[in-house]
Amino acid sequence: DQQVKQNSPSLSVQEGRISILNCDYTNSMFDYFLWYKKYPAEGPTFLISISSIKDKNEDGRFTVFLNKSAKHLSLHIVPSQPGDSAVYFCAANPNSGYALNFGKGTSLLVTP
Amino acid sequence: NAGVMQNPRHLVRRRGQEARLRCSPMKGHSHVYWYRQLPEEGLKFMVYLQKENIIDESGMPKERFSAEFPKEGPSILRIQQVVRGDSAAYFCASSRQTGSNTEAFFGQGTRLTVV
Repeated sequence: DQQVKQNSPSLSVQEGRISILNCDYTNSMFDYFLWYKKYPAEGPTFLISISSIKDKNEDGRFTVFLNKSAKHLSLHIVPSQPGDSAVYFCAANPNSGYALNFGKGTSLLVTP
Repeated sequence: NAGVMQNPRHLVRRRGQEARLRCSPMKGHSHVYWYRQLPEEGLKFMVYLQKENIIDESGMPKERFSAEFPKEGPSILRIQQVVRGDSAAYFCASSRQTGSNTEAFFGQGTRLTVV
């Protein structure tokens, strides 16, 4: 039962352009959302998060948008850099919860 | 290095052997979580532990898998009588507190291969 879905397995973007990674969820009890970045043979690294009481959170080149009515969130990276090439996982946590629910990931390739 | 430390990084076991995976949380973190990532899949929650207590093991397979987080030393994930389907990457995460708005920090993982 996949409650967090990342429907694009891969994305290719040119350096300097915007990368948009999408994530959908089905459980209305989720109230905290996180994005993790993962390089091959490494563990996931926390990138940015957003609470359900907000619709936008920004940190440098990274911005996460949350649309609760659509149960959709997205991660924007601008400008994209080759070092951003990695697998990005969307994760969600229910209120009063601690067990992250992960999507299957989107592999981002930023080409020079 | 104050990060989450996992060892070994790679572990090869023959079918029927036991696998022991270790995790030392970040300094000051008393909450430990284990996740498993099968090929082409996202990470799946297995178990949540605090010192000397298993809080939630709802994601653990019913047989052959166990976890502990003793008063002293690292958290251990133990898999007895391994089978080929246990081959996966096992990640440990830790956090300072728990709750829905807490970021968990992950280790580099242990890649278990069962031959």
